[in-house]
Amino acid sequence: AQSVTQLDSQVPVFEEAPVELRCNYSSSVSVYLFWYVQYPNQGLQLLLKYLSGSTLVKGINGFEAEFNKSQTSFHLRKPSVHISDTAEYFCAVSLQYNTDKLIFGTGTRLQVFP
Amino acid sequence: NAGVTQTPKFQVLKTGQSMTLQCAQDMNHNSMYWYRQDPGMGLRLIYYSASEGTTDKGEVPNGYNVSRLNKREFSLRLESAAPSQTSVYFCASSLIGRETQYFGPGTRLLVL
Repeated sequence: AQSVTQLDSQVPVFEEAPVELRCNYSSSVSVYLFWYVQYPNQGLQLLLKYLSGSTLVKGINGFEAEFNKSQTSFHLRKPSVHISDTAEYFCAVSLQYNTDKLIFGTGTRLQVFP
Repeated sequence: NAGVTQTPKFQVLKTGQSMTLQCAQDMNHNSMYWYRQDPGMGLRLIYYSASEGTTDKGEVPNGYNVSRLNKREFSLRLESAAPSQTSVYFCASSLIGRETQYFGPGTRLLVL
């Protein structure tokens, strides 16, 4: 079965600093990969996804992620964060042959300080 | 365009009571999902429906039942609530499986 590991439960960072949120997955078959963001007291919304093609994926709000098949990673990056990026970020994976079953990581809380 | 709506927003139940969480989407999506979110555990899939008339178990289906009433609506029922079902429940929908899932605002459930 596939699984997702988000290595950091919390990431504190100062405004305008770069940030990387780490995500590793485990699967014996090909997968699709996603990053979702959850602002306080809201549902989740998609930041970006990798289905195929270029391994560098650009998403909303200046975020990007790189799919590394050999390292089974899909780390999320932003070169300069804003206070408004404070939120919880979830990495998720689905199998290419069963795309309805989305498996989420446990989440990383990004706290941006002024 | 409301997207995905969920009712109720909050609910308090006593152990053994039953309730149904309602979800509706107005995006003509084929797939619908129910998740629960618990601290430190991320979101876990309870049940999903890949199309009208079909439902399948997710990671944590025990203690729950679902009904895909029509293409728009997907309800989650707790027949006999237990304190372990205290959680935040999210409904989501997508056009098809690998596409973006759109989430509702959530239902906060407390079982005493």
